[in-house]
This record gives sequence, C-alpha cells and structure tokens, in this order.
Amino acid sequence: DAGVIQSPRHEVTEMGQEVTLRCKPISGHNSLFWYRQTMMRGLELLIYFNNNVPIDDSGMPEDRFSAKMPNASFSTLKIQPSEPRDSAVYFCASSLGLLAGNTGELFFGEGSRLTVL
Amino acid sequence: GENVEQHPSTLSVQEGDSAVIKCTYSDSASNYFPWYKQELGKRPQLIIDIRSNVGEKKDQRIAVTLNKTAKHFSLHITETQPEDSAVYFCAAPSGAGSYQLTFGKGTKLSVIP
Repeated sequence: DAGVIQSPRHEVTEMGQEVTLRCKPISGHNSLFWYRQTMMRGLELLIYFNNNVPIDDSGMPEDRFSAKMPNASFSTLKIQPSEPRDSAVYFCASSLGLLAGNTGELFFGEGSRLTVL
Repeated sequence: GENVEQHPSTLSVQEGDSAVIKCTYSDSASNYFPWYKQELGKRPQLIIDIRSNVGEKKDQRIAVTLNKTAKHFSLHITETQPEDSAVYFCAAPSGAGSYQLTFGKGTKLSVIP
C-alpha cells in the first residue's frame, strides 16, 4: 500500500479564497482523522470519521471549515473563506482503530502545507 | 476531553547520553499511550506505545514507562545518536476504547555529535 496520500503538498492562496485539501486513506482502514499542526498549538485534532461517518468535529475551529468523507477511500477538508491564521500544515491520518487485535496506530500522510497571504 | 502535558519542550544531549521526555494525562480511563517521532519536514510516525496493563516496554534503545496512579508516562532513549534528533510527541486517547488521540505539544530533541 502506498500509505495515506494527501494533495496538494503545498498550497499558497490569498485571503478569502476557497481551499480544498484531499486525502486518500490506507485501504481497509475504517477511521480517518484530520489534524492541523502549528508551532504555537502543536497537533490539533480537527475532525474524526469512523466508517465514513463524522464522529467528532468539535475541533473544527469555525464554520469556515468543513470536512466530508463521501466514501471509504476519499476525504476532503475545505476552508471557505481562508484567512492568514489558517496557515499551517494539515495532516490526514488513518487507522484500524482500537478494535480487537489492532494496535490503534495512526498512519499519517505527508501533510499539506497551507499558506494564506 | 483528554489533556496531555509534555515536558520539556526542547532537549539537547550529547551523543551517547540518555534522553527522557515526560507526559501527564488527565483522563484516568485512558489505556493506550503512544509516542510519535517527527523528523524535520516529515510526517509523525509511531515509534513505541504502551497499554495500561504493563508498566514498562522496551524496543532496543527506546523504552516507555507508565504510572497509571500518577497519570504520567515517559519516553527513554539510551545511547542517543544524531539520527534521534527530531520532535517527539506523546499522546493519549479520550478515554478507554476511544479512537481519538490528543497529542502533547512536542519535545524537540537535539543530539550533539
């Protein structure tokens, strides 16, 4: 398996523009997470899906942020409109969860570095 | 929700010395404690984890200890090497059986040759 695949790797946009980040989890994983990483706040969990259903989106900072998982192999994180304070590295991760026999390890993608000017 | 505190935020050691990073957590129901390593510009990757039914786990030069009573766990790296230089994150789930991990703020470890 190629691992968790994220795109784009880098995105530079202007304030007010819409940003869409994409993620393909590892095949067979039933849990998908979106994290945001900044120097000040570290790794923050934004939203978590289990079997394509959003379970906890309490980490989504504002209504400008939305996430979808239309099927088991694809998820998007959208920011509309974007603001400079959204600049960060956004990681997608997938997992088999804490089911019997599974370790719960999170497999991260390479991340999408977003810069909002 | 879970609150994870990690110390120190930066740590410099001489090559060959040991490094210790400590974390505390708030949710007494948590039962799984992983450590992730993130090299510069790379993704975080799991290096070791421990479950609440054991007090210590070792894997070559790294070890993790857990004190459930005090709600803290530590990462120990012995005989440090330059390639150990990275940011290390501890994490804990939001309660037993939870899939959601809350991460500490990270420790930047520098191993000086």
